[in-house]
Amino acid sequence: AQKITQTQPGMFVQEKEAVTLDCTYDTSDPSYGLFWYKQPSSGEMIFLIYQGSYDQQNATEGRYSLNFQKARKSANLVISASQLGDSAMYFCAMREGNGGSQGNLIFGKGTKLSVKP
Amino acid sequence: DTGVSQDPRHKITKRGQNVTFRCDPISEHNRLYWYRQTLGQGPEFLTYFQNEAQLEKSRLLSDRFSAERPKGSFSTLEIQRTEQGDSAMYLCASSLSSGPLGAQYFGPGTRLTVT
Repeated sequence: AQKITQTQPGMFVQEKEAVTLDCTYDTSDPSYGLFWYKQPSSGEMIFLIYQGSYDQQNATEGRYSLNFQKARKSANLVISASQLGDSAMYFCAMREGNGGSQGNLIFGKGTKLSVKP
Repeated sequence: DTGVSQDPRHKITKRGQNVTFRCDPISEHNRLYWYRQTLGQGPEFLTYFQNEAQLEKSRLLSDRFSAERPKGSFSTLEIQRTEQGDSAMYLCASSLSSGPLGAQYFGPGTRLTVT
């Protein structure tokens, strides 16, 4: 069963506007972490933001925020005030367990974001 | 501030040849991961090390693949008898094992093309 689902293969957003990238996940482990990464055309995966399953508040990191809805098993990324440099692939990922034996990340298929001037 | 580095960045090889990739993690990170990414997909986990111990291997890691981290610092990933299906981007990442965050920081990747 797919553990991370990103239903939007591609998204367009006007420069300076906000955009939400969807991510739903599936796990039976009560302890897990959710991550978002950005992958520009150069190929390097850039860590953006993290949300732990026990975190009470939604994570924020500059223009990035994570809309965490635990009951719905969703962890959407919100980018505010989009910039041209935000154009890239965005991947949602999950790590089950609290950094213990399950150390690897499980990634979704990604969403390609294009920012229009 | 030195991030994760990988060498080479690109490798073209003929089917049947052996290739070896190197990854140098962030110096204080004790965990090191290898992932493979094919076109249009997210990265898929291959294996990871804590210090020099290889703790987990994916079923994707066939017998033709071997990874080492002999002194708990850099790591190598070797593919023997390469096949065209091995063509992909091979990504290395490192992290600290302590704490709940444990964000993995990725290198630029090695793009392998098997002809």
